[in-house]
Amino acid sequence: KAGVTQTPRYLIKTRGQQVTLSCSPISGHRSVSWYQQTPGQGLQFLFEYFSETQRNKGNFPGRFSGRQFSNSRSEMNVSTLELGDSALYLCASSPRQGGGGELFFGEGSRLTVL
Amino acid sequence: GESVGLHLPTLSVQEGDNSIINCAYSNSASDYFIWYKQESGKGPQFIIDIRSNMDKRQGQRVTVLLNKTVKHLSLQIAATQPGDSAVYFCAENTNTGNQFYFGTGTSLTVIP
Repeated sequence: KAGVTQTPRYLIKTRGQQVTLSCSPISGHRSVSWYQQTPGQGLQFLFEYFSETQRNKGNFPGRFSGRQFSNSRSEMNVSTLELGDSALYLCASSPRQGGGGELFFGEGSRLTVL
Repeated sequence: GESVGLHLPTLSVQEGDNSIINCAYSNSASDYFIWYKQESGKGPQFIIDIRSNMDKRQGQRVTVLLNKTVKHLSLQIAATQPGDSAVYFCAENTNTGNQFYFGTGTSLTVIP
């Protein structure tokens, strides 16, 4: 079974630009969560989608948004990029929404903002 | 690994020794916990989990201990191997979907 696939793996943007990251979950998984990982803040929850609906949202500004498609694939978008948005963005999928159970992580998209 | 930073605790152990990695969690309402391992350039990988109605759970070479009284979680790795070198995170969940709160991580280095 293929794992969680994230694209692109690496990208460089400049301040003020926007970026869209893509995540394909494991087949059959309907929950997709996004996390931001930085050296200073560690892993922080961005949001979770299940059946095309945002179920939970972390404490991030409105510049961070996401969506999920009917095939469970998900995208996240960051608008008006700031230097502090440089991070590894991790996508995780799960067959269930809550109730315990591991998250299956992709290898991440490394975003550098110049 | 991707999460290495100035504030990351480190642990060095000799190959073959046992390792103990500790984690203090923040929310007394958390009822599900996972330990993840993250190798350089990779996403976190599940190691073992435990629910709040248990205080110990064993896997292959790994044991997780949960002390709810002091909100403490530990991961014990038996006979540590070079392949165990990675950053280890604990994560807590309060059954509100798949929103997990991750600890800062511990960098484990196994000395051959």
